[in-house]
Amino acid sequence: GQQVMQIPQYQHVQEGEDFTTYCNSSTTLSNIQWYKQRPGGHPVFLIQLVKSGEVKKQKRLTFQFGEAKKNSSLHITATQTTDVGTYFCADHSSNTGKLIFGQGTTLQVKP
Amino acid sequence: NAGVTQTPKFRVLKTGQSMTLLCAQDMNHEYMYWYRQDPGMGLRLIHYSVGEGTTAKGEVPDGYNVSRLKKQNFLLGLESAAPSQTSVYFCASSYDDTSNEQFFGPGTRLTVL
Repeated sequence: GQQVMQIPQYQHVQEGEDFTTYCNSSTTLSNIQWYKQRPGGHPVFLIQLVKSGEVKKQKRLTFQFGEAKKNSSLHITATQTTDVGTYFCADHSSNTGKLIFGQGTTLQVKP
Repeated sequence: NAGVTQTPKFRVLKTGQSMTLLCAQDMNHEYMYWYRQDPGMGLRLIHYSVGEGTTAKGEVPDGYNVSRLKKQNFLLGLESAAPSQTSVYFCASSYDDTSNEQFFGPGTRLTVL
């Protein structure tokens, strides 16, 4: 079945440093959604990317969808302690609404 | 609006016992989903429903059953629990298949001894 690979699994950064997580698939992705899960919490939707080469920004977060729609990335500029959590990408099937999640990247930020 | 709620929050079972996890949403969403989350494996879809009275299998359906008798509720059943079913279970809902986001419940932490 389809797999969505996400790297790295863990990332520790000093507050103020940048952070990037990557999402890759061997097959073409339908739409990419990104979720954030705080420690002990539940996943919360961040954004959806639909078009090839799409770039969207939310304050310090920049989301990209690859030209071939086989990869995506989330970049956080100047991390803050509030950015701590696990970031998941997920391929969204427009037929069923089903999400195929990557394994997630857990971000730790040292103050 | 409460959004998506799950009961119970925690549960410990012995191998072979049965239980039902309840998910409720008050957003009039058509689509509902059950996921399990295990360390290092992200969230994996167990079963889902595209409307009242319908259910379908996800990635890891074995050992689970579901029912959607009412639009607002989605039940996940474990008939004979096994230690491999120790996990955190999340329910989610979305308005339809074109909706941008899924709304997740707070989760149920299940331990099977």
